[in-house]
Amino acid sequence: SQTIHQWPATLVQPVGSPLSLECTVEGTSNPNLYWYRQAAGRGLQLLFYSVGIGQISSEVPQNLSASRPQDRQFILSSKKLLLSDSGFYLCAWNFVSGGAGELFFGEGSRLTVL
Amino acid sequence: AQKVTQAQTEISVVEKEDVTLDCVYETRDTTYYLFWYKQPPSGELVFLIRRNSFDEQNEISGRYSWNFQKSTSSFNFTITASQVVDSAVYFCALHTSGTYKYIFGTGTRLKVLA
Repeated sequence: SQTIHQWPATLVQPVGSPLSLECTVEGTSNPNLYWYRQAAGRGLQLLFYSVGIGQISSEVPQNLSASRPQDRQFILSSKKLLLSDSGFYLCAWNFVSGGAGELFFGEGSRLTVL
Repeated sequence: AQKVTQAQTEISVVEKEDVTLDCVYETRDTTYYLFWYKQPPSGELVFLIRRNSFDEQNEISGRYSWNFQKSTSSFNFTITASQVVDSAVYFCALHTSGTYKYIFGTGTRLKVLA
């Protein structure tokens, strides 16, 4: 069966520090991968998605970036965090076929920027 | 442009009451998919249902039921005889054919009181 893992689960970082959140999917190959952010009191905002190794589509221009160095690995990064980067980050995947299947979400990473 | 509106920010009901969560979507595409997800306090999103634009049949799964009406662009979710375990944030989402993006609403927080 397929599983998705994110880490770290919780992170407290000072403003201006770097960030690296990792997501790994197991039990499938060539998945579509997604990063969403859930800010307090707000919905899920799509940040990035990837349909293949090295292919990244950005939905929100900001100080975050994403990379997909391996088929089932998706990394969210920042060189310098802002206060507004605080939130709950969710990684998700789905099957490639047609892209209309449901998303499967990871456990989430809660980031607090101080 | 695609958009999902969940106008109810928070709903509180007493256990055993029925409750309906509203979802209104906007899209110009004729082929699209609608989803509902549940986010319990643990944070991970749990998939509940997927419905495509060509299937307007209502669906019932235990205490859950969904009413899809293209005429009003709505995909409402009803929980019958609510239980405390139903307390969560519920998200409605839209996916249009030919894209990889899933657009989520802002969510409705449901509190079921014992």
